[in-house]
Amino acid sequence: KAGVTQTPRYLIKTRGQQVTLSCSPISGHRSVSWYQQTPGQGLQFLFEYFSETQRNKGNFPGRFSGRQFSNSRSEMNVSTLELGDSALYLCASSSRGGGGNSPLHFGNGTRLTVT
Amino acid sequence: KNEVEQSPQNLTAQEGEFITINCSYSVGISALHWLQQHPGGGIVSLFMLSSGKKKHGRLIATINIQEKHSSLHITASHPRDSAVYICAVRSNFGNEKLTFGTGTRLTIIP
Repeated sequence: KAGVTQTPRYLIKTRGQQVTLSCSPISGHRSVSWYQQTPGQGLQFLFEYFSETQRNKGNFPGRFSGRQFSNSRSEMNVSTLELGDSALYLCASSSRGGGGNSPLHFGNGTRLTVT
Repeated sequence: KNEVEQSPQNLTAQEGEFITINCSYSVGISALHWLQQHPGGGIVSLFMLSSGKKKHGRLIATINIQEKHSSLHITASHPRDSAVYICAVRSNFGNEKLTFGTGTRLTIIP
């Protein structure tokens, strides 16, 4: 079974631009969650989607948004990029979302650098 | 105070030693995850616990819900166990988000 695939692996953007990251979950998994990892703040939860609905959202500004498609693939968008958005963005899939706990399967991440 | 506290932050040990990493949390949870992150970023889920104890190979994870505490043990440690170990809890109220500890950097010396 293929694992969680994130594209692209690396991305360099300029302040003020916007970026879209993609995550393809493990086949059959309906939940996709997104995380930001920085040296200063560690891992932080961004949002979680289950069956195309956003179930949970972390404490990030509205510039961070996401969506999930009917095939469970998910995209994350960051608009008006700031230097502080430079981070490793990870997504994880699971067979159940939210309170229906199931193990998380992580992708290798997208490393975003904002200059 | 962070909702999830891990100790120690850094741990260096000799190959073969028994390793313990601790995680304490302050909120009610529905599950606790132990994750392993190697250099380069990839994260692997080691355990998901809601009670008791789980074992996988040389790794053992325990949780005490009443004391809001979990431990990850590694027996017969090996240099390939060198990684950052992260504890994460899913709260059982509100938006049920995952909250992460700051991680424990483990280095096993041959």
